[in-house]
Amino acid sequence: QKEVEQNSGPLSVPEGAIASLNCTYSDRGSQSFFWYRQYSGKSPELIMSIYSNGDKEDGRFTAQLNKASQYVSLLIRDSQPSDSATYLCAVNTNSNYQLIWGAGTKLIIKP
Amino acid sequence: DAMVIQNPRYQVTQFGKPVTLSCSQTLNHNVMYWYQQKSSQAPKLLFHYYDKDFNNEADTPDNFQSRRPNTSFCFLDIRSPGLGDAAMYLCATSRGGAGQETQYFGPGTRLLVL
Repeated sequence: QKEVEQNSGPLSVPEGAIASLNCTYSDRGSQSFFWYRQYSGKSPELIMSIYSNGDKEDGRFTAQLNKASQYVSLLIRDSQPSDSATYLCAVNTNSNYQLIWGAGTKLIIKP
Repeated sequence: DAMVIQNPRYQVTQFGKPVTLSCSQTLNHNVMYWYQQKSSQAPKLLFHYYDKDFNNEADTPDNFQSRRPNTSFCFLDIRSPGLGDAAMYLCATSRGGAGQETQYFGPGTRLLVL
């Protein structure tokens, strides 16, 4: 059973600080990794995708991938109250085009 | 703007009364997915189409069916909704193929069963 694990939280971070979200996956053959943000009552929206080991930066967001340790993380710098949401990690195992989803980490940014 | 559209946004139905949810896309993507998501849970894949090829997840109840009459539209039919079917139903699309797994979601349909 291919799995994606996330700490459900809530993770509480002061405004302006760095929020760090983590995700581990079980299938060593996984190739593509995605972070989605989901506000309460809304649908998921893509934040970042990452395919290679290392860091990928996009504005205040940085995704980090370590395939040897089978984890992917998302850093949010200068956290804003509008970043308060559930962050879903999704992984593609390259066996097909489907994604395996984590249950998400609820992030709360406190003003 | 290219997008994924779902209708209705909110659906209230009675126990056992059939309901149909619709999804349309202007992205011209090959793959369309239907997910069920309950509070604080991961999206659960019900089924998907790659073009006209239908793929049903093994644990999707027979009560759920789907149709894709053309590239742009996909429907989710719930034949006899039960209280446990109350959830957010999400439609997503992707191009399909290696390196093309990014999924784009519609706004979702919130289903309430009375």
